[in-house]
Amino acid sequence: GQNIDQPTEMTATEGAIVQINCTYQTSGFNGLFWYQQHAGEAPTFLSYNVLDGLEEKGRFSSFLSRSKGYSYLLLKELQMKDSASYLCAVKDSNYQLIWGAGTKLIIKP
Amino acid sequence: IAGITQAPTSQILAAGRRMTLRCTQDMRHNAMYWYRQDLGLGLRLIHYSNTAGTTGKGEVPDGYSVSRANTDDFPLTLASAVPSQTSVYFCASSEASEGDTQYFGPGTRLTVL
Repeated sequence: GQNIDQPTEMTATEGAIVQINCTYQTSGFNGLFWYQQHAGEAPTFLSYNVLDGLEEKGRFSSFLSRSKGYSYLLLKELQMKDSASYLCAVKDSNYQLIWGAGTKLIIKP
Repeated sequence: IAGITQAPTSQILAAGRRMTLRCTQDMRHNAMYWYRQDLGLGLRLIHYSNTAGTTGKGEVPDGYSVSRANTDDFPLTLASAVPSQTSVYFCASSEASEGDTQYFGPGTRLTVL
C-alpha cells in the first residue's frame, strides 16, 4: 500500500527553528510537495522537490532523499503566524498526489 | 473572481437529501479535483477531471458524482447524503493533470444529520 508518515503535532518557540519530517512509501515517485494549512482554511503551496537535496525559499527550506524515502521541511525564525498544519504529499507513478495526515505546528511565545 | 471559489461555505443536510457542491475556477486550468478532509486523515481524492469533458474516480468515489461540462466548473453531487459524508470538501485545480501544483478553493463544511 501507499503510506505517508508525519508526526501528528509539534511545538516550537517563536524565533526558533523547527524541522518537520515526512517519510513515504509509494508506488513510484515523481515529486514531493509541502503545503501549509491554517485552521479553517485551504492548503496553500509551499515547496516542491523532485531531485535530492535542499530547496531554500526564504525562511522555509525543504529537503529530499529519494533513496531513503524521506523529506523534511525546515522553518527558521519562527513567527506566530507559522502556527498551522503542514501537509506532505507525494506524486506517485500515476502522477496522483498521495497526502499525509499533516503535522500540526504550535508556536509558543 | 480570482482563483477558485466554492459554494456553499457550509451546509447542514438531512440524510437522504441530494446536494451539489459548486466549484468554479478562473485560471483556465485543465485539471480539477475534489477532496474530502477528515480529522486525522490526509486529503482523500474523490473524483478528478484532467480536462473538460472527462472525469475519473479517485480513492473514495462511492456516493459521489461529478461532471465537467466546461473548463471553469466542476460540481460535486451527493445523490443521497449519509452521515459518513460529513466532512470538509476542497476543490482544487492545476494547470496540467500530471501532478502539477494544485491550488485549492476555500472549502465547504458539510454536516449530514
